[in-house]
Amino acid sequence: DTGVSQDPRHKITKRGQNVTFRCDPISEHNRLYWYRQTLGQGPEFLTYFQNEAQLEKSRLLSDRFSAERPKGSFSTLEIQRTEQGDSAMYLCASTLGTSGYNEQFFGPGTRLTVL
Amino acid sequence: AQSVAQPEDQVNVAEGNPLTVKCTYSVSGNPYLFWYVQYPNRGLQFLLKYITGDNLVKGSYGFEAEFNKSQTSFHLKKPSALVSDSALYFCAVRDTTSGTYKYIFGTGTRLKVLA
Repeated sequence: DTGVSQDPRHKITKRGQNVTFRCDPISEHNRLYWYRQTLGQGPEFLTYFQNEAQLEKSRLLSDRFSAERPKGSFSTLEIQRTEQGDSAMYLCASTLGTSGYNEQFFGPGTRLTVL
Repeated sequence: AQSVAQPEDQVNVAEGNPLTVKCTYSVSGNPYLFWYVQYPNRGLQFLLKYITGDNLVKGSYGFEAEFNKSQTSFHLKKPSALVSDSALYFCAVRDTTSGTYKYIFGTGTRLKVLA
């Protein structure tokens, strides 16, 4: 399968713990996005990378959240000191090119539950 | 600021009947518009997009959408619904003149096709 993959698929953690998620995009895709989706809502933009450069972050993204994309390949999203409000599905998507009109390919998501 | 509205949380339609899922948007410049579908336990899948040109765009699985600039709408349509079309549908927009490459998604519309 050459689609976007995310790991883990599910994560249960206790409040205050740190968690890290990984996203492997489609190999030739240079742009990578992270979204958060809660029940009854659409994907909410968190951040995006063009190659290894993080070009934009949502103002909703607190300083407990950090993302990296070393070498422009896979990406990680870390949440420090998790809170119950962080419980959500975290989606990764990748796209080819820099024009902004190509469709995004989404991974299956990582469902985070903070107890 | 960019925004997308999907005014209906759920749309019910009988199999074989035409379906419409509504989307309106607000951007300061010219929009790129997208429709995605989400099946249970699967990632979002691209259906179709409007970039420029013909206002009627055709996409996957027999879906089409009509871009209406004066009404700022991009409604998704299909002439004859199938039970297998039952899923969650998201409209998304990118403002091409905002200098950002982030996409804004609507809250989603659940389509239920009844046999």
